[in-house]
Amino acid sequence: DGGITQSPKYLFRKEGQNVTLSCEQNLNHDAMYWYRQDPGQGLRLIYYSQIVNDFQKGDIAEGYSVSREKKESFPLTVTSAQKNPTAFYLCASSIVGEAGYEQYFGPGTRLTVT
Amino acid sequence: QQQVKQSPQSLIVQKGGISIINCAYENTAFDYFPWYQQFPGKGPALLIAIRPDVSEKKEGRFTISFNKSAKQFSLHIMDSQPGDSATYFCAASPLAGLTFGSGTQLTVLP
Repeated sequence: DGGITQSPKYLFRKEGQNVTLSCEQNLNHDAMYWYRQDPGQGLRLIYYSQIVNDFQKGDIAEGYSVSREKKESFPLTVTSAQKNPTAFYLCASSIVGEAGYEQYFGPGTRLTVT
Repeated sequence: QQQVKQSPQSLIVQKGGISIINCAYENTAFDYFPWYQQFPGKGPALLIAIRPDVSEKKEGRFTISFNKSAKQFSLHIMDSQPGDSATYFCAASPLAGLTFGSGTQLTVLP
């Protein structure tokens, strides 16, 4: 089965701890993305990577870090510097389709920090 | 700064009716406009997308209408079904990362 997997589905952490969210894709897509979704709101771009060993900040990168050592993997670390880390985190990957960069999303990880 | 404005925030439609969701953008560098459907607790699913050189695109019951001069685009869902009840997001991009609208919660009554 081809797709994007995110693990775990639910994650609980204490304030002050760093936490890493996993994202893996076997679609052979070059580009990968991380978004954050807060209740009743749209998605906001955290980081994206268009090629291995290279990534760019999105609109809300502060308090987050990423790495892209393999084409298939794009883990996101939520650091203790992120002031409001509780959110639904979505990973996506993309191809260039008929209209443009068609992004496909994983199932998401719901992070709760208390 | 919200670069993609979406309306309405919520929409209730009778089964068989037409659902219409509108979006407006500000950044003229945007050249890719997708729509996503999201069910509670799930990741968004790509429904349909358009480039600005086309004024309309139809896929099954879903149609995007695009007005480049007004910087507006809309999603029309024909013959709406209860299974269409979900949150719909418009988005826009100049190249890679997407800028999303705030979402429309659609409820289709049986």
